[in-house]
Amino acid sequence: ELKVEQNPLFLSMQEGKNYTIYCNYSTTSDRLYWYRQDPGKSLESLFVLLSNGAVKQEGRLMASLDTKARLSTLHITAAVHDLSATYFCAVSLWGGADGLTFGKGTHLIIQP
Amino acid sequence: DGGITQSPKYLFRKEGQNVTLSCEQNLNHDAMYWYRQDPGQGLRLIYYSQIVNDFQKGDIAEGYSVSREKKESFPLTVTSAQKNPTAFYLCASSAGQRNQPQHFGDGTRLSIL
Repeated sequence: ELKVEQNPLFLSMQEGKNYTIYCNYSTTSDRLYWYRQDPGKSLESLFVLLSNGAVKQEGRLMASLDTKARLSTLHITAAVHDLSATYFCAVSLWGGADGLTFGKGTHLIIQP
Repeated sequence: DGGITQSPKYLFRKEGQNVTLSCEQNLNHDAMYWYRQDPGQGLRLIYYSQIVNDFQKGDIAEGYSVSREKKESFPLTVTSAQKNPTAFYLCASSAGQRNQPQHFGDGTRLSIL
């Protein structure tokens, strides 16, 4: 059974600070996805990571994947209030059209 | 604009009643999915379909049923056998390729009367 664990589950930080969210998964997989969810809203895709050592950046967010350690990180640089949201990582075991297994999410609050 | 439409946005179910949640997509995606989200939790897979007239159970399929008669549509029925149906239900679709993320609808919030 595939398990996906995120930590921390809750994070309160100040604007301008840096922090990292961690995502561990239990079984070999060659794909990992990061999503953002605002309160009461749907999920927005942030990153698709497909290979060992993959690194992607969008604005103040950077995601990386280490398939050997079964670990992905989402790094936030110089946080701003607009990045407050819940961030989920998700992993797929099988082919491209199979369902995803999600972590419980990291609820991020960025205070002025 | 292409996207996924879920309806209704809010739904109330009486005891012993079946209710159906609608999901329509115009992205021409082959694969569609249903997830359930409980407060403070991640999403859990209920059912998914990779092609018309075929679908597979996910991790929590008990008490739910689906159909896939058209490529664009993947309705979910919450049956009376589902004893704890109160949750946020999200429908998604994908092109089925590993480098493409799943795209999500805006969700349906189901509550028990």
